[in-house]
Amino acid sequence: DAKTTQPPSMDCAEGRAANLPCNHSTISGNEYVYWYRQIHSQGPQYIIHGLKNNETNEMASLIITEDRKSSTLILPHATLRDTAVYYCIVRVPLKFQVNQGGKLIFGQGTELSVKP
Amino acid sequence: GAVVSQHPSRVICKSGTSVKIECRSLDFQATTMFWYRQFPKQSLMLMATSNEGSKATYEQGVEKDKFLINHASLTLSTLTVTSAHPEDSSFYICSPQVNTEAFFGQGTRLTVV
Repeated sequence: DAKTTQPPSMDCAEGRAANLPCNHSTISGNEYVYWYRQIHSQGPQYIIHGLKNNETNEMASLIITEDRKSSTLILPHATLRDTAVYYCIVRVPLKFQVNQGGKLIFGQGTELSVKP
Repeated sequence: GAVVSQHPSRVICKSGTSVKIECRSLDFQATTMFWYRQFPKQSLMLMATSNEGSKATYEQGVEKDKFLINHASLTLSTLTVTSAHPEDSSFYICSPQVNTEAFFGQGTRLTVV
């Protein structure tokens, strides 16, 4: 089962910041938080990931709380093309691949609608 | 960024026939391959995990004799849906992994009629 909880849907005005929350209260110390998004009928697209520290890249910022039990993905200036389902995933280590990542178990995600 | 090629993107087959889906990592070598399926309006569901040269590990409820996975090289994995039935109609997605990064194919829309 997925170890994350996300709101099923959110709306955001074009040009404004989109803040997508995620709860992962049972996360373990060596598990990363990953964010992917999926635009209709396409494969998921990687956005960002982090362990403890906040992370930023050209697509988004990831804010992880100090206790690591929740995180927020921030799209600083949402565009219509950002309309998608956003998945927050806690990565479970594969037993036979130490320090080599692990399974990505998808929850239901948040359907983000960016409106003009 | 890593390039993943999944083929075909769309296939329609008759009930009882088999369909092979290919997943290639074009500019990297994937030691691990994940296969997912996704039904309409649902999330991705992990079907199996395979390592190059080894037998795949299937998730609970996924029939290994029905969904044959071959991961013969670091750049190619195939999923064969054998004796397909209409309930196998779904969106199948491969995800090759290298180090801690997992990438995704474009998906294959399978319709069994």
